[in-house]
Parts: sequence; structure tokens; C-alpha cells
Amino acid sequence: QSVLTQPPSASGTPGQRVTISCSGSSSNIGSNTVNWYQQLPGTAPKLLIYNNNQRPSGVPDRFSGSKSGTSASLAISGLQSEDEADYYCEAWDDSLDGCVFGGGTKLTVL
Amino acid sequence: EVQLVESGGGLVQPGGSLRLSCTASGFTFSNSWMHWVRQAPGKGLVWVSRISNDGSKTDYADSVKGRFTISRDNAQNTLYLQMNSLGAEDTAVYYCARRYTSGSFYYFDYWGQGTLVTVSS
Repeated sequence: QSVLTQPPSASGTPGQRVTISCSGSSSNIGSNTVNWYQQLPGTAPKLLIYNNNQRPSGVPDRFSGSKSGTSASLAISGLQSEDEADYYCEAWDDSLDGCVFGGGTKLTVL
Repeated sequence: EVQLVESGGGLVQPGGSLRLSCTASGFTFSNSWMHWVRQAPGKGLVWVSRISNDGSKTDYADSVKGRFTISRDNAQNTLYLQMNSLGAEDTAVYYCARRYTSGSFYYFDYWGQGTLVTVSS
């Protein structure tokens, strides 16, 4: 049972827009910034979004993040086949004194 | 080019011990907080432990507290994870990751390729 809650799966067709939600609490998302990571099959996670809505250089602007209260979301527009991966949200938890992750969302491009 | 290279994984019997290493290059290791994150087969990412840049502060997930010890050697640009009293629930790929910090936000910007630890008789 992960501290941050994500839907286990999401899907869309090429060109569509999909969103992935991440729900937490006041001790994590409510008081700290949210990061998103993309994990392609068989590889290490890669930073996708940091500080709620910032993209590292090299990440396409098709990817965007937002946060409101104790929830965050990742949006992917213009879906492409190479976006098929697992996506994880992450934040620091002040009560646990550690990082917490969502359970991950497996994105399928139909 | 930034590199984090883990080593030391393998097959270990229940109750046994293992020490993981993570060798860093391409950034100033001694200025960086470092973490271990693990991923059981087919499961999600789980935070394990962190250590401050100078090694003076460490934190652990409850699931490993008292069994795992994180440490570092800044002269060798190497991060360690000593794992004792291993159980089947510790079977996972273990990643080392750098925690970038800037004011009020922080994130894992660099990850190693991971090393697999399998606990089985």
C-alpha cells in the first residue's frame, strides 16, 4: 500500500491527451513539492517533472504537471507510442521523514 | 557525463548480509545527498534510505530500520548500503540516486542502473 495513490493503469490512442492523478495528504503533497518519474521497461526511472510543474531540459513540452492541495496530476498531450511506460509521483513526507512514491501508473498507448 | 554505477547485488540466503556499492562520477559527490530506492519484481518504487553530503545525517524507511546501514566515502565517491538480516521481502532491484536540492524543492535527478538482490534459500 503506497502512501501516494495513483491509478494502476491508464491508456489512450496516439495524439490523445491523458492525465494521471496522484493523491496524498497534508504531510507530503500538501506541504512539499511533487516530482514525476518515467520508467521505461527494463530501465531506471528518469525525472520527468520536478517542483510540481517544471520540466528538465530535454523533456518534451507534451508533458506537464500540476498540483492543488494534497493532489497532483501529470498530463501527457499528443500521446506517442514511446510514451508507453510506468509513471510515478514522489514527494517528501514530513511525518514519515522520508520520500514517498505513488504505486505507479502503467500507461498503454493503444 | 554523470554516472552512478551500483554493484554488490546477488543471491543471498534468508538471514544473510550483503553490501551494495554505488560509485559516482561526473558531479561533485561530496556536495550531494544520496539515497537508495528499491523496486521489488513487478512492483513500484520504494524509498529505502538517505545520507547527507557529509555523512552526518541518515534516515531509513521503517521496513529496513535497524537492519540496513547507509554510509559513504567521499574520497572514493562511493555510497554504500549494508544490508543485514535479509528476508524474502528485501528481494528487489536497488537503485542509488542523487537528490538535487534547491531551496524549497528537491528531486532525484540522477539514477544508477540498479543492482538486483535476491533473497532465497
